[in-house]
Parts: sequence; C-alpha cells; structure tokens
Amino acid sequence: KNEVEQSPQNLTAQEGEFITINCSYSVGISALHWLQQHPGGGIVSLFMLSSGKKKHGRLIATINIQEKHSSLHITASHPRDSAVYICAAVGASGSRLTFGEGTQLTVNP
Amino acid sequence: NAGVMQNPRHLVRRRGQEARLRCSPMKGHSHVYWYRQLPEEGLKFMVYLQKENIIDESGMPKERFSAEFPKEGPSILRIQQVVRGDSAAYFCASSPGLAGIYEQYFGPGTRLTVT
Repeated sequence: KNEVEQSPQNLTAQEGEFITINCSYSVGISALHWLQQHPGGGIVSLFMLSSGKKKHGRLIATINIQEKHSSLHITASHPRDSAVYICAAVGASGSRLTFGEGTQLTVNP
Repeated sequence: NAGVMQNPRHLVRRRGQEARLRCSPMKGHSHVYWYRQLPEEGLKFMVYLQKENIIDESGMPKERFSAEFPKEGPSILRIQQVVRGDSAAYFCASSPGLAGIYEQYFGPGTRLTVT
C-alpha cells in the first residue's frame, strides 16, 4: 500500500463541472502539497497546507489531519485545467516529499 | 527573483556515457531536493542536500548515481555509465531550509534520454 494514495486515477469532465480529487495518506506529515503538471511540462505548486482550507481563484484545497485526507476542488472547470494533479506529503521531519500517483484530469469543451 | 533553474532542459546520452544535471536553487534557498519521474510513473524522491552536505540519500540508486551541492555553484546530479532505464525527467526543488517552512519550489526539469 502506498503511503500517499489518490483517487480517481483518471477523471473526465465536461466544461463547467465541479471537480474533486482526493488524497489519503498513511504517515504522519508536516504539510501537504497539491501540484499541477501539464504534459511534458514542469511542476507548479498550487497549494501547500497543513490545516483547514485554502482558496485561490477556482481552486480550493482542504485537509483533515485527523482523517489523514485532503481534497482538491475545481469549480467551473475549463479545458485549460486539463493536467495531472499530484498530492505530495511533507514528512514529519519536514523534508522529503512522498507523492501520490497523480490524477489525470481531462476537461472537454 | 529568479525561480529554480535546471539545465540542460533536454539531454541525450548514449549508453555508457555520463550525464550531469544541474540545479540552481532560488536565491536565498540552501536546501535542494532531487526527484525522478520515470515514463508513465509517479515522482520519486532521490536525494536531499544542504550546502556541502548530503542529508538524505535514501532514494538514490546504490550505484552510478551521485549528487553534490557545493558551497559555490549549482547542485549537480551525476549519473555514470547511463543505461536506457535512466531515461526519465529529473526535477529539482529548493526550499529556504527554515524551521516550519515546508514549501518547495520546483525547477522545470531535465528530460534525459538514453539511446
């Protein structure tokens, strides 16, 4: 069992739909990153959070430390949101990242 | 303030050659991390370095791979005698290394192709 698991692995949505990607982790963490990666592209950090909820534009990230679970929500999805979304846990020692396998999101017009 | 820089962006090597990947952290950052993304796979931790010191190399293959972060200059990930299985995207990230600051900033990656 991976220390960080994401679901779903693949997600196809129609433009405008509300999207949720889930991340569960089984280890103690200091914080959790949500990252975005376009095909052949670099990695962009969307959020880093250690408690509660953060919002940036149409993106919302939440984390429940007790349940060891985080979610990334995209409201009013758009084709340009199509990418791989990766959650990554910062270890309890505050250093290395442990990554989920990623969720491939495709938003169709 | 320039972001994390990696070069080259693309590197082609023949089997048996050496590959040197460079990473310049963000200004003021003293911690560097290297991650590898094999084709169709997720990202995996390789090594964590501070200036002149390797902190955690538990993700590094035991042979042919080495990393350094000298007092001056970029961090270098060195792969000797490359094999086809080394073909991957190599990302570095940097952080300021301050207590309680966990944010890591990623470079654009180096795509290594071994022919």
